[in-house]
Order: sequence, then structure tokens, then C-alpha cells
Amino acid sequence: DAMVIQNPRYQVTQFGKPVTLSCSQTLNHNVMYWYQQKSSQAPKLLFHYYDKDFNNEADTPDNFQSRRPNTSFCFLDIRSPGLGDAAMYLCATSRASGQTTDTQYFGPGTRLTVL
Amino acid sequence: AQSVTQPDIHITVSEGASLELRCNYSYGATPYLFWYVQSPGQGLQLLLKYFSGDTLVQGIKGFEAEFKRSQSSFNLRKPSVHWSDAAEYFCAVGPLGGKLIFGQGTELSVKP
Repeated sequence: DAMVIQNPRYQVTQFGKPVTLSCSQTLNHNVMYWYQQKSSQAPKLLFHYYDKDFNNEADTPDNFQSRRPNTSFCFLDIRSPGLGDAAMYLCATSRASGQTTDTQYFGPGTRLTVL
Repeated sequence: AQSVTQPDIHITVSEGASLELRCNYSYGATPYLFWYVQSPGQGLQLLLKYFSGDTLVQGIKGFEAEFKRSQSSFNLRKPSVHWSDAAEYFCAVGPLGGKLIFGQGTELSVKP
């Protein structure tokens, strides 16, 4: 089945130790998104890639970076995780053409714990 | 400003009872509207969506939603709730450009 895959499902890191979260998709969608979701809150968009074009949300901290080496993969790098970065990180994909964007499909998420 | 409001933070219903989750939006043009469900520790699963056409849309798991432009609402309904429906439900508006605006979510509990 076509899907969005996130690895690992659970990640524990130490305060200040860089961490990378991975997302891959078999849907061949050209748009990939990273969201941060804290407990009992709605997902918050960090950034997205429209093809190779990177789009950062204005309030996304510089501590968060992303890479998309090809259509299928996208990575979220947290350069120096703080305790406040503990959250669920959701990857999503969609198909877009021009100004029209189709439905977003989400992966299962990576739960990040910062010690 | 564009926004989505889910007035009910937490709802409890008995198994077999009907369910309606409310969603109101503020958006300047015809919106793309979505309902997602999230089980604990999981990602978001699309239940249904409205882009255009028939204002009553059917989704998976027996859910449906009705778009009412005059009320700026997109309420989610299910005639008979099952215990497995207990989860967090998010309404979202998707304007052009792909950025979803989510409501704060409604947590559904199901009593046996």
C-alpha cells in the first residue's frame, strides 16, 4: 500500500544533542510537510517542501532544519534540542499543481523525548 | 483572519449513541474542509474532505459531514458510535498553498 513512513517511531535524545527524524513516502507526492504537535494541541506546521523549494514558517525556530534529498525522503534536523522540543513530529505529503493542493496524508509520527 | 473553531474540547457519548462534533471556520473564499482522526500515539488519518459539490460528504468508518456555507460550519456526524471511535478529532481548513489550519481538536470518549 502507498503510504507515509516515519522512522523511528520513538526517539530519545539528550538536551543539546543533535537529532534527525526521517520521513519517506511511496505516494510520489511532490509536497512534503513537517509538523510539531505538543500534547493536547493541534499540529503546528514547521515547514514544507514544494518539490525542491523549501518554505519555512515565519515562527519556526532556527534550531529546526530540513533536507529533502529526493522526492521520496525528507529529514527533520533539530540542531540543539531543548526540553521544549519534546513533542510528536508528524510528516505529511500531498500532491500539488500550481496553486492547487490536494489532501494531506500523514505518517504515524515520531515521538521525541528530550532528557 | 483564517481560523477554525471546535467548540467542544471533550465529548463523552455512550456506545451506540449518535455523535455530532462541531466545527466552525472563518475563511474568505470557498474552503477546502477536512476531518482527521488521531488515535493516541498515532498520526492523523483522513476521515473525509469537502472540496466542492454535494454538501453532505461520506467518509470512512461510517462518518459523514455536512458543509453549511451560511453557518460557516462543517460538522461531523456518526449515527452509532463504537468504542473504537474514541480518539481525538481535528477539523481543518485547507486554503490554496497547502497550509492546513487546524482546530484545537475534540477528544471523544465512549462509555460502554
